[in-house]
Amino acid sequence: EADIYQTPRYLVIGTGKKITLECSQTMGHDKMYWYQQDPGMELHLIHYSYGVNSTEKGDLSSESTVSRIRTEHFPLTLESARPSHTSQYLCASSDFGQVEAFFGQGTRLTVV
Amino acid sequence: GNSVTQMEGPVTLSEEAFLTINCTYTATGYPSLFWYVQYPGEGLQLLLKATKADDKGSNKGFEATYRKETTSFHLEKGSVQVSDSAVYFCAPYVNYGGSQGNLIFGKGTKLSVKP
Repeated sequence: EADIYQTPRYLVIGTGKKITLECSQTMGHDKMYWYQQDPGMELHLIHYSYGVNSTEKGDLSSESTVSRIRTEHFPLTLESARPSHTSQYLCASSDFGQVEAFFGQGTRLTVV
Repeated sequence: GNSVTQMEGPVTLSEEAFLTINCTYTATGYPSLFWYVQYPGEGLQLLLKATKADDKGSNKGFEATYRKETTSFHLEKGSVQVSDSAVYFCAPYVNYGGSQGNLIFGKGTKLSVKP
């Protein structure tokens, strides 16, 4: 059973608000990822990290930002939410030497 | 570049029918290959994997064989159940060198199984 947690599971928020999506894992994994999943189910990598103080942008450009101050924690922040940010956000982690990734349950964000 | 092509859905089957979801990929080297499954309202779970040519991954009655010559990793199940209704993602792991690399996901195939 993977130990990676995302909060909140669901979030409805107004335009212009600042939000932070939380992702934590207790497996000691060095690598962590954020994916955005569109209504058609396709997954897009928006951020990843190979360890503390390492963050990289993924294949899909995103207005969100991430930080990695602790190994277990990889929060994603939107400074000013817009309706175009409405989506499902999935966090994942994996260990060096392994290629398998473990996923959280996701955060479904709706910006109204 | 690296890419994955998955059979488009939705796929609708009756219970006990045979399932095939095709997946082909383009990637440098010999990537490890994965199938992930996403049940409604959930995140992704690893379904099965194969790490080298001719390996067969299997789990919960699902199977997929790593075909290097055709760069394919088709998912099959002999008899589907209603509980198999989910979205299935094919994903090669592309290694960029050293310990760096990422999973490349296909667009997902939605499977609905009717009683």
